[in-house]
Amino acid sequence: AQSVSQHNHHVILSEAASLELGCNYSYGGTVNLFWYVQYPGQHLQLLLKYFSGDPLVKGIKGFEAEFIKSKFSFNLRKPSVQWSDTAEYFCAVGGATNKLIFGTGTLLAVQP
Amino acid sequence: DTAVSQTPKYLVTQMGNDKSIKCEQNLGHDTMYWYKQDSKKFLKIMFSYNNKELIINETVPNRFSPKSPDKAHLNLHINSLELGDSAVYFCASSQGGGMNSPLHFGNGTRLTVT
Repeated sequence: AQSVSQHNHHVILSEAASLELGCNYSYGGTVNLFWYVQYPGQHLQLLLKYFSGDPLVKGIKGFEAEFIKSKFSFNLRKPSVQWSDTAEYFCAVGGATNKLIFGTGTLLAVQP
Repeated sequence: DTAVSQTPKYLVTQMGNDKSIKCEQNLGHDTMYWYKQDSKKFLKIMFSYNNKELIINETVPNRFSPKSPDKAHLNLHINSLELGDSAVYFCASSQGGGMNSPLHFGNGTRLTVT
């Protein structure tokens, strides 16, 4: 069965620090990978997605993620975070089924 | 012109009551979903409809009954509400159900059962 792990539950950074949020999945077949962001009190929005091709994917607001197939990972990165990046970040994986499986989320708090 | 709209935004009710949440999307998508987000922010799929047909039905109590009158609408009716039903319920839509297109989420309905 598919599953998604986000090991960092809560991350606190200062502005301008670099960010990397981990995401690992378990599924041996072809996967589609997503990162969603949920700002306080808002709905989930797509940050970026990977279906195929270049494993380094660029998304909105300066975010990027790298798909490493051998490690079953799809980590999210941003070189320099801003206070406005404070949010909950969800990794999600779509595989053989029609279900998109979400990780448990990582709460990012950026201190000004 | 919100793409995926849910009503109501907040719903406070007592145990044992029956309530409904409505969802509409104007994106022309053929697949719609209900997700439940618990107090720990964990998101779990409940149901998925493709062109008005149920394609995903997770292990959800049968007190929860989805209904899709057309492909732009997916409603959720909950009977005999329990305390554990308190959560944020998100509607979402996508084009195709094979996870080849991203989900577009509504703003959520925060359900509180007292």
